[in-house]
Amino acid sequence: NAGVTQTPKFRILKIGQSMTLQCAQDMNHNYMYWYRQDPGMGLKLIYYSVGAGITDKGEVPNGYNVSRSTTEDFPLRLELAAPSQTSVYFCASNPLADQETQYFGPGTRLLVL
Amino acid sequence: DQQVKQNSPSLSVQEGRISILNCDYTNSMFDYFLWYKKYPAEGPTFLISISSIKDKNEDGRFTVFLNKSAKHLSLHIVPSQPGDSAVYFCAARSGGYQKVTFGTGTKLQVIP
Repeated sequence: NAGVTQTPKFRILKIGQSMTLQCAQDMNHNYMYWYRQDPGMGLKLIYYSVGAGITDKGEVPNGYNVSRSTTEDFPLRLELAAPSQTSVYFCASNPLADQETQYFGPGTRLLVL
Repeated sequence: DQQVKQNSPSLSVQEGRISILNCDYTNSMFDYFLWYKKYPAEGPTFLISISSIKDKNEDGRFTVFLNKSAKHLSLHIVPSQPGDSAVYFCAARSGGYQKVTFGTGTKLQVIP
């Protein structure tokens, strides 16, 4: 198993541009999450999904959108990039049988200039 | 409002000695606590957890202690090894799988 994969690893965006951060997992996990980590801060939940077709907002959803058309994929969309969205983004997942521990991807570092 | 606090941004320990990482929380509704380890350029990986109904959980060199009255938990690593050098995040869960709150992390350096 590849686990949780994220692409790209690093991206520079100009203010106002849009992009999609890709996340995929091959463990057949029901739950998937997007977090952001700002320097010196903990991880903040952006959006989460309990299964294909079901998504919900986390703590900091403004400026982002998600979709979950399949169990495997959970892309995060930035429509109008702003400098405040400069961060490291982590995707995570966990199965229904283990709701305590989450499996994280390697992260996407995003710089908005 | 920082509900999970890790007040020590960094910690240095000699190889073979004990590492103690601390975490304080304010929300009495937290029912599950976790520690994650993170290496540079990688995602966090789960290390150890403890339910709020317990006061200790041990897994090899790693032990987590929970003091509910003080709203404090700690992670002990004995003996510390250079490979343990990483950032350690304390996390707490309340009311369901999605409500996980992370601390800001403590960077542990184990000196050979």
